[in-house]
Amino acid sequence: GIQVEQSPPDLILQEGANSTLRCNFSDSVNNLQWFHQNPWGQLINLFYIPSGTKQNGRLSATTVATERYSLLYISSSQTTDSGVYFCAVGPGGGNKLTFGTGTQLKVEL
Amino acid sequence: GAVVSQHPSRVICKSGTSVKIECRSLDFQATTMFWYRQFPKKSLMLMATSNEGSKATYEQGVEKDKFLINHASLTLSTLTVTSAHPEDSSFYICSARGRGAGELFFGEGSRLTVL
Repeated sequence: GIQVEQSPPDLILQEGANSTLRCNFSDSVNNLQWFHQNPWGQLINLFYIPSGTKQNGRLSATTVATERYSLLYISSSQTTDSGVYFCAVGPGGGNKLTFGTGTQLKVEL
Repeated sequence: GAVVSQHPSRVICKSGTSVKIECRSLDFQATTMFWYRQFPKKSLMLMATSNEGSKATYEQGVEKDKFLINHASLTLSTLTVTSAHPEDSSFYICSARGRGAGELFFGEGSRLTVL
C-alpha cells in the first residue's frame, strides 16, 4: 500500500515563530488532507488539497502531486497550535485515506 | 464544513461485554463511512470501510467478528466491539464522505477502556 512519511516527527517552537511541515507519499494520489489533532483527540480539518496552494489565516499548504509531497506552513505560531499534525492521502473516488506518521508540535511561550 | 458526531465520547466496560459506538453525519448524507483506530502516540489505522446498505470491507488483520460494522442509513454507522478485552482498549474515530465528494470529515472519537 501507499506509504506516507511526515517530517519532522517532533518540533518545538517559540511563540511567534514560523514552521514548515512536510508530507511525502509513495504513489499518485487524488486526495490529500491536512489535520490538526487537538489534545482531546479530535481531528480538525485544515486543508483538502490534492494539488495547488491554499491559505487560511496563518496556515497555508502546498501540494506538488507530480513530485509526491505536500507542505504545511504555520506562521506566527501560537500555543493553541500545539498538537499533532497529520497528512492523509488517498487515491480518490470515495476510497480510504492513509494517514502519515504525524508531526508533534509544541509551541512555548 | 460538514459535521460528523460520535457517541459515546468515552466508555468503560468490563471484559467480555459488548460496546456499541455510533457515528452520525449531521448535515449531509454519508454514502461512505470509515472506522479508524488509534493507539497512544501513534497514527490512525483504518479498520474498515462501509457503504450504505452494503457489508463493510475490513482491512487485513482486522477481525470482522470482533468489530461489527453496520451502515444501515445514509446518516448512521455503528461499530460494535464484541466480547471486549483489555487489548481492545483504544481510541476509535469514524469519518464520513458524501456522494461525489472528495473530502473526509471526522467525528470527535470514542475512547474505549476495557477493564
